[in-house]
Amino acid sequence: DGGITQSPKYLFRKEGQNVTLSCEQNLNHDAMYWYRQDPGQGLRLIYYSQIVNDFQKGDIAEGYSVSREKKESFPLTVTSAQKNPTAFYLCASSSGAREQYFGPGTRLTVT
Amino acid sequence: EDQVTQSPEALRLQEGESSSLNCSYTVSGLRGLFWYRQDPGKGPEFLFTLYSAGEEKEKERLKATLTKKESFLHITAPKPEDSATYLCAVHMTGTASKLTFGTGTRLQVTL
Repeated sequence: DGGITQSPKYLFRKEGQNVTLSCEQNLNHDAMYWYRQDPGQGLRLIYYSQIVNDFQKGDIAEGYSVSREKKESFPLTVTSAQKNPTAFYLCASSSGAREQYFGPGTRLTVT
Repeated sequence: EDQVTQSPEALRLQEGESSSLNCSYTVSGLRGLFWYRQDPGKGPEFLFTLYSAGEEKEKERLKATLTKKESFLHITAPKPEDSATYLCAVHMTGTASKLTFGTGTRLQVTL
């Protein structure tokens, strides 16, 4: 089955620790995205990548970092510099500027 | 400023009671408008893409329409399984493949 996988589903970390969220797709899409979703707010774009070895900041990139070494993979690191990291994180992919397909999400809780 | 506004924020319908959700946008140039369905704790599921005013798309009890300033998601004779949050997103000219999302409409369909 083609799709997007995110792991883990739930993640708990202590304040001050960096944490990496995994995102893998087998849809052969060139573009991949990371969003953050908070209650009562729309999806906000953190980073996106349109091609391997290239990525751009989205609207709320501060405190986050990404890499795109393989077409299938786009991991997101939430660093200790992110002031309010507890949120639901969604990864998506698309073929160019067409519709984006989302993974199941990772719920990160930092205490 | 480019904006996407969805209304109402929440809607409660009885089974069989048809209604419409609204997505209005103020963008400098629309390349595409997307509708998604999101169940609690899950990633958004793609429903429709609309590209030009006058376009309509249908899927089961859902029909999406587009004008120059807004889109409607019409739900005909809804069932409890249609309960979800419905998200609207726009792709604007000059923004590569980035989408701007509205905050969604929470739909509850009761027996």
